Amino acid sequence: SQTIHQWPATLVQPVGSPLSLECTVEGTSNPNLYWYRQAAGRGLQLLFYSVGIGQISSEVPQNLSASRPQDRQFILSSKKLLLSDSGFYLCAWTLGAVNTEAFFGQGTRLTVV
Amino acid sequence: SQQGEEDPQALSIQEGENATMNCSYKTSINNLQWYRQNSGRGLVHLILIRSNEREKHSGRLRVTLDTSKKSSSLLITASRAADTASYFCATDRAFGTGTKLQVIP
Repeated sequence: SQTIHQWPATLVQPVGSPLSLECTVEGTSNPNLYWYRQAAGRGLQLLFYSVGIGQISSEVPQNLSASRPQDRQFILSSKKLLLSDSGFYLCAWTLGAVNTEAFFGQGTRLTVV
Repeated sequence: SQQGEEDPQALSIQEGENATMNCSYKTSINNLQWYRQNSGRGLVHLILIRSNEREKHSGRLRVTLDTSKKSSSLLITASRAADTASYFCATDRAFGTGTKLQVIP
């Protein structure tokens, strides 16, 4: 069966420090991969999505970047974190067209202090 | 950008009552999906309704879709305390702002 792993679950980082969040998918090939951010009590904001290795589309220009070094690995990074980068980050995958069922990881709660 | 907007933002009901949440969207769609999120967790897919469908059922869930009004509703019948969560509608890759449902035992 397909599973998605996202870690760490929680992270506290100082302003100006780098960030690397990793997401891996098991049990499927060629997934579409997504990074979302959710502010407290709010909806999800799509940050990046990828339809294949090395293919990254950015939805919102910001202090973050994403990479897909392997088919089932999606990484969210920042060189220097800002206070405004705090939030709940969710990784998700779909198969095929974008408007199919999405499977989410458990999320990473990032607090920048 | 966010495509859907849920209404109400928050809903509190007694166990056993029905809960109705609404979603409006802006552009044409192929389908619309509803997700559930327990506090501090990832989202779980509940149901998908295609643009050529008007109503769909799954257990205690009933979803309707009105493409002429660009709106959808999610009805949870005979609610349980375990239904307490936030519910989001989604079209394509965009999610709404969610309805926070509290079911009081």
